[in-house]
Order: sequence, then structure tokens, then C-alpha cells
Amino acid sequence: EPEVTQTPSHQVTQMGQEVILRCVPISNHLYFYWYRQILGQKVEFLVSFYNNEISEKSEIFDDQFSVERPDGSNFTLKIRSTKLEDSAMYFCASSKLAGVTGNTIYFGEGSWLTVV
Amino acid sequence: AQSVTQPDIHITVSEGASLELRCNYSYGATPYLFWYVQSPGQGLQLLLKYFSGDTLVQGIKGFEAEFKRSQSSFNLRKPSVHWSDAAEYFCAVGAAYNTDKLIFGTGTRLQVFP
Repeated sequence: EPEVTQTPSHQVTQMGQEVILRCVPISNHLYFYWYRQILGQKVEFLVSFYNNEISEKSEIFDDQFSVERPDGSNFTLKIRSTKLEDSAMYFCASSKLAGVTGNTIYFGEGSWLTVV
Repeated sequence: AQSVTQPDIHITVSEGASLELRCNYSYGATPYLFWYVQSPGQGLQLLLKYFSGDTLVQGIKGFEAEFKRSQSSFNLRKPSVHWSDAAEYFCAVGAAYNTDKLIFGTGTRLQVFP
């Protein structure tokens, strides 16, 4: 079964450093997402992306975050200047269709980011 | 605002026992409801979903869930748990029609004893 893959599985970075989390969505999917889960808290929506544009974002997704599809296969989340509170598991996801109705969103294994 | 509550943080059952994981949602209109499972080292896998119609929904791995509008619940059940079901289970609701956003609960960690 096709799957969403994410790298790295775990990254430790110093506060203030830039981090790029990478994702390879399922090949025929057109819609891409990032979610995150701070330890002990809920999985939270960050952003959705379609046709090289952000289609929806949450209040968490501020100016220090950006997303990009640099080529035909990768989808990246960049955090420009990491803060301690950015420590979390980041999930990439993809789907064939838009929205959550009548649609299945496939998630990756997650990238665990630790900011020290 | 929409929200999802999973009251049980951690549940332990014996292999072969029945299982029910609770999920309550807060949403004004007809909700779109999902259960995901995350096994160790794996991504979030969709177990089942409810959009409309029959309120008892069958999913993969022998799981089912029942939508009860009167109780704002969407509890996940399995008649006989296997050791491989040990994982974290997340309930989620689609925030609204024509949105990309899923709203998740905090998850329930299931431990299975032989």
C-alpha cells in the first residue's frame, strides 16, 4: 500500500536554528498537509497546500513557518527560527481530494523535533 | 468551536476481551467523524469514518464505531482484542464542510496483556 514518508524521524536542534522537515506524499495525491502534536496534547492542524499554494492554515502557522513543494515529489515544512515550544511530533499527510468530507487523508509516521 | 474529547488516556485490556474507546465531540452541524490508529513507529492510519447514513460503521482490523447524535458520541469497539491492537487511538472530527482541517482528540493509549 502506498504511504507517506517523512524524514528525519527525529531531529534535535538548538533554539533559533532553522529546521526543514521533509515529506514524500503519495504519488497521485494533490493535497498536502502538516499537523503537529506537542507531547501530551492534541494533534493540531497546521496547514494545507494545493497547486503550489497554501489553501488553509491555522493560527499556529505564523510567519516563522513556511511550506514548499520544491519538486514533483517532496513537500517540506520549514521553521525559520525554532523555539522551545516548537518541540513536537510533526505529521505530514496527503490526499487525492480536498477537504475532510468523503475523503481519506493519509498520514506519515511523523518527525519528532526536539528544540534545546 | 468544534472539539473532540477522549476521556480515557490509557486503557489496558486482556487479549480476547472486548474493547470500547470513548469519543465525544462538540459540533453544531452533522459531523464528519474519524478514528485513526498509530502503532509504534507507524503513521496515523485511518480505521474508519462516518459521514452519513448507517450510524454503525465498519472499519479495518475488525473495528466498528457507532455514531450517536443524542450523546454526541462516536465510540470505537472491537469484540475481541488482539495483542497487535496495542497502539494509540485518535478520534477526529472534520471541522466543517469544505474545510481541510481535522480536529483531533488527545488520544487513548491501548495496552493489551496476553
